[in-house]
Amino acid sequence: GQNIDQPTEMTATEGAIVQINCTYQTSGFNGLFWYQQHAGEAPTFLSYNVLDGLEEKGRFSSFLSRSKGYSYLLLKELQMKDSASYLCAVQGDNYQLIWGAGTKLIIKP
Amino acid sequence: NAGVTQTPKFRVLKTGQSMTLLCAQDMNHEYMYWYRQDPGMGLRLIHYSVGEGTTAKGEVPDGYNVSRLKKQNFLLGLESAAPSQTSVYFCASSASGDGPGGELFFGEGSRLTVL
Repeated sequence: GQNIDQPTEMTATEGAIVQINCTYQTSGFNGLFWYQQHAGEAPTFLSYNVLDGLEEKGRFSSFLSRSKGYSYLLLKELQMKDSASYLCAVQGDNYQLIWGAGTKLIIKP
Repeated sequence: NAGVTQTPKFRVLKTGQSMTLLCAQDMNHEYMYWYRQDPGMGLRLIHYSVGEGTTAKGEVPDGYNVSRLKKQNFLLGLESAAPSQTSVYFCASSASGDGPGGELFFGEGSRLTVL
């Protein structure tokens, strides 16, 4: 079967760095997306990886290892507004997205 | 810049009632999707469309119907609502079906409760 695994919840301190992991088992791979979703709001796009390596975009970076079925989202210089759920989604063989349940990130002062 | 707009935002139905959720996008996107989001689960695809006049089933299509008569609109219908359809429904659109252009733009969501 197809599966996306992410930690359910993580806690971090304002100003620190946090890494949110995502492991996947899918039939085929055509890209991995990360989305941010604040409580009660819609998901918004953060990053896209299709090749191995690190993609950096400001305070956020995303890493992919296709051979290990693994990705992480790295958030630096954490701010209170980063408190949100982070969703990992993999595009499989039929190009439909398979979504993880999301990681709720709590930022403490 | 409206992006993706969903109506209504909230609705309470009784079991057996029918309703339609409307999604409109102003980005000229070909692809449109209806998802449902339930606590502790990932987003699940109900139906999707790859262009005007086309629709296809997603992961959880039973109990729902869709129509894409105009490129900018994607309607989701519940024929006979059941309590299991209590959920938050998100419409999304994308410029392409894959690659960087496959980035999804979501509407604000429609919270549906079926009693």
